[in-house]
Amino acid sequence: GEDVEQSLFLSVREGDSSVINCTYTDSSSTYLYWYKQEPGAGLQLLTYIFSNMDMKQDQRLTVLLNKKDKHLSLRIADTQTGDSAIYFCALRSSSNYQLIWGAGTKLIIKP
Amino acid sequence: EAGVAQSPRYKIIEKRQSVAFWCNPISGHATLYWYQQILGQGPKLLIQFQNNGVVDDSQLPKDRFSAERLKGVDSTLKIQPAKLEDSAVYLCASTTSRLAGGDGDTDTQYFGPGTRLTVL
Repeated sequence: GEDVEQSLFLSVREGDSSVINCTYTDSSSTYLYWYKQEPGAGLQLLTYIFSNMDMKQDQRLTVLLNKKDKHLSLRIADTQTGDSAIYFCALRSSSNYQLIWGAGTKLIIKP
Repeated sequence: EAGVAQSPRYKIIEKRQSVAFWCNPISGHATLYWYQQILGQGPKLLIQFQNNGVVDDSQLPKDRFSAERLKGVDSTLKIQPAKLEDSAVYLCASTTSRLAGGDGDTDTQYFGPGTRLTVL
């Protein structure tokens, strides 16, 4: 079946870049999303990329898509303490258009 | 534009009791979703509505969970009776999309703050 995999934790120093990775199995997914979840809060859409794009940049966020390797990444430049959260990768299923979610990557910021 | 509203934010009940959650989607959003998020996992879709009709409830445990969206706007999700394993955050999301397979903007799901349920 369709699956999305993420590492559970990532620890970076404040000011460094964070790169959160996601691999998936459904090569037909057309839209791939990154959501952020802060403690006690709902899911906040950060950005999404269409499958015919390789890269999308939005201020400190850069999304890279490698369709051949079925690999999606989110780079956060100049990571700040406010970036501490769980980051979810989600793909729109090509079969029923619902979202398939990863388990989330907890980003830990070291001072 | 107001976001997705949910209430209550927190609920603590004992097993075998019943509980109800309420969601008010973003105005004009035709599609509404209820998700269950267990600690350490991604959201799991429970039910999807298009206006006041059910699109998909294949993962809803129908022996104890029910949901409705009578007028195509607000929705309620009920659990009766609750079990310990129902402890989770219940998230509501909505999109503008009226047709499956819309573009990235219309299909983008916007989430409410969630209701954290603890079953003792």
